[in-house]
This record gives sequence, C-alpha cells and structure tokens, in this order.
Amino acid sequence: GQQLNQSPQSMFIQEGEDVSMNCTSSSIFNTWLWYKQDPGEGPVLLIALYKAGELTSNGRLTAQFGITRKDSFLNISASIPSDVGIYFCAGHKKTSYDKVIFGPGTSLSVIP
Amino acid sequence: GAVVSQHPSRVICKSGTSVKIECRSLDFQATTMFWYRQFPKQSLMLMATSNEGSKATYEQGVEKDKFLINHASLTLSTLTVTSAHPEDSSFYICSASSGRGYNEQFFGPGTRLTVL
Repeated sequence: GQQLNQSPQSMFIQEGEDVSMNCTSSSIFNTWLWYKQDPGEGPVLLIALYKAGELTSNGRLTAQFGITRKDSFLNISASIPSDVGIYFCAGHKKTSYDKVIFGPGTSLSVIP
Repeated sequence: GAVVSQHPSRVICKSGTSVKIECRSLDFQATTMFWYRQFPKQSLMLMATSNEGSKATYEQGVEKDKFLINHASLTLSTLTVTSAHPEDSSFYICSASSGRGYNEQFFGPGTRLTVL
C-alpha cells in the first residue's frame, strides 16, 4: 500500500533552536498536510499545502510542498516547550476522495 | 474552528463485551466521518469512512462485523466494538469533514479503550 516516510523519527533539541523535519513518498500526492498530536489527544492541523513548490507559514511554522510532489518539509523556528509532541505528515490524492494517508510521525522533545 | 467531540474519553471493559464510542460534530454538519485506530507510538491507521445515511466503507483488513459503524445523522457517528478482546485495546480517533475537501477534516480528542 501507499506509505509515507518521516525523518527523523525523533529529535531532542534545546529551547530556542530551529527544527526541521521531512516527509517523503514513493508516489505523488496532490495535497500535503502537517498535524501535531499531543499525548492523549487527537491531531490538530498545522499547515495544508496544495500546490507543488508552495511555501506556507503559520506563525513560527513553515512548510513546503516539494516540486516533485513526493515530499514535504516542516520547519519550526525558535522552539518553545509547548512544541513538544508528535508531528505527522499526511498526503492526499484526488482519486482517494477525502481519505488521507498518515506518516509514522516525528517525536519532538524540547529541553528548556 | 470546527469542534468534534468523542464520548467516552476512556473506557475499560471486560473481554467479550461490546463498547460504543460516539463522535459528534458540534458546530457543523459532517457529511463524512472517519474512524482511526492508533496503537502506542504508532501512526493513525484509517479503519473506515462513513457517509451520513449510507453504509461505511472499511479499509482492507478491518472486520466490518466486529467494528460496527453507524452514521445516522449529519452530526453523529458511532463505532461499536463488538465482543471486544484485549488486542482491541487502542486509541480510537474520529474525524469529521464538512465535505468541502480533505483539509476540512477535524479530529476528535480520541477514546482510550482498554479491554481486560
């Protein structure tokens, strides 16, 4: 089946540092989505990307839709303790109606 | 933003019993609802997609007779785990879409099911 890969699997950073994580796929997606999940909670949508090459920001978060449409990255600038959580990328294909495929996630820990 | 609630947030049951989980869209009409299962330290796995008034579409490998889904109204979908066993213990999350596109998929807070 379709699979997304995320790297790194986990990261430990100092508060104030910038963070970069990425998501790759062997197939093309029409939309890339980035979610954050806090422990024991449902995911919350951070950024949605709709066009190849698109670069979108949401506060300290910036994400880009790769030109090949097979990858995306998420950057977090000046990390703070509340950035701790699991970050999931998700991809959508027009042929899949409303279904999205989730990546395995990147676990982020921020050391104060 | 749109709010999706789930009830209960936690449930513990004995093996062999059935458990019903509710998913409600509180301030919008959800034409489509999705049910996911998430095991510890793993990603979300889609179980089924339900559209209001029609039968749910199950993903490959998901037993439709074990995981009964009812989407009776535009604001409520239920997932019933029938004859639950310990291996069904997991975090179940629903999401709801207003039908205007995949980016409108809003997630509930999840239900932690523990089967003893």
